Amino acid sequence: SQQGEEDPQALSIQEGENATMNCSYKTSINNLQWYRQNSGRGLVHLILIRSNEREKHSGRLRVTLDTSKKSSSLLITASRAADTASYFCATAVPNFGNEKLTFGTGTRLTIIP
Amino acid sequence: SAVISQKPSRDICQRGTSLTIQCQVDSQVTMMFWYRQQPGQSLTLIATANQGSEATYESGFVIDKFPISRPNLTFSTLTVSNMSPEDSSIYLCSVERLGLGRNEQFFGPGTRLTVL
Repeated sequence: SQQGEEDPQALSIQEGENATMNCSYKTSINNLQWYRQNSGRGLVHLILIRSNEREKHSGRLRVTLDTSKKSSSLLITASRAADTASYFCATAVPNFGNEKLTFGTGTRLTIIP
Repeated sequence: SAVISQKPSRDICQRGTSLTIQCQVDSQVTMMFWYRQQPGQSLTLIATANQGSEATYESGFVIDKFPISRPNLTFSTLTVSNMSPEDSSIYLCSVERLGLGRNEQFFGPGTRLTVL
């Protein structure tokens, strides 16, 4: 079954507003990562938050992690048209000395100019 | 970051044929991964390709259907064998870059495969 479930599945907001996406997962993790994908192309890594961290910022991005609830959120502030994309969370779990990423179902974000 | 290229970028293939997808990285990496993304879906890991050893396949994926080569530390291929329309997907390779206590994956642009 999917490790990560994201909601909402789709989100449309006006340019300039903030967008919040949520991710829930089922097992213990090493870290949680967020990726962006534009129009079915390759994924771009946005931000990584380790299991012992609770909040992390990168530019207009803010990620929170609540390991007790097994959930994370991605906040994009002051959204722009270029933020239109699909966003995926991915949980990293130990895998024979390395890490294995399991991706969530994704949120399709549309920014309306 | 790592620069990753994939060939072909897209292809349309007939049922029953096979397609080999190439993944080239601009630097040496230990771990390379192959994912499948079916239309409108998330990414599913097919296998992990380590140089010098056989690929490790995830549940639901087998070597006969998705043979993988990893001849050196900058290159890998994934073959989709005996294709059917259900194999229509985007196939992505990625590499893991270790450093500063962070394990990030960098993705290639993907190969969009349509099977008729």
